[in-house]
Amino acid sequence: GENVGLHLPTLSVQEGDNSIINCAYSNSASDYFIWYKQESGKGPQFIIDIRSNMDKRQGQRVTVLLNKTVKHLSLQIAATQPGDSAVYFCAESNQAGTALIFGKGTTLSVSS
Amino acid sequence: DGGITQSPKYLFRKEGQNVTLSCEQNLNHDAMYWYRQDPGQGLRLIYYSQIVNDFQKGDIAEGYSVSREKKESFPLTVTSAQKNPTAFYLCASSRIAGGNTGELFFGEGSRLTVL
Repeated sequence: GENVGLHLPTLSVQEGDNSIINCAYSNSASDYFIWYKQESGKGPQFIIDIRSNMDKRQGQRVTVLLNKTVKHLSLQIAATQPGDSAVYFCAESNQAGTALIFGKGTTLSVSS
Repeated sequence: DGGITQSPKYLFRKEGQNVTLSCEQNLNHDAMYWYRQDPGQGLRLIYYSQIVNDFQKGDIAEGYSVSREKKESFPLTVTSAQKNPTAFYLCASSRIAGGNTGELFFGEGSRLTVL
């Protein structure tokens, strides 16, 4: 079946550093990818998304990179702040394009 | 304010009882979803619906049931057949364009504890 995974379950950075969170996906036919941030006890919040016809997309302080050759997705957060501490999930569209399949998540801890 | 409303936020039930979790959206989205999240885990898809009166099983549908009688509402029933129902349940909705989903908008979740 489809599977979206993350390379590291936890990532610790210092305030002001750049963070890179990685994700590997298995379905080469997926055409939509998305990153969410989830704070404790809350629902996931949208960060940024990307379609398969792109390899890079930038938002405010965040960049998503898509490498379809190796089926790899990454989220870069510039100048990481304590408020960025949360669990980050990548997700890809399922084969039918009708739902999202999520990875296990990376917990980002930012220390001051 | 537009959004997804889940209720109750916390729910305790005895083993063997059916439980229904409510999910309402006023975003005029066509599609709605239910995910389950266990501690330290990602979200796993239970059921989803792209249109009223139609829904599809996700990866872990066993022991759950849903209905979609109205566009705004997608209640989830956790039945006694669900072996390990204690979890955090997340409802979401999205627009559908060309048959494909886009960004999912999530509710704040319902935490079910079975005693």
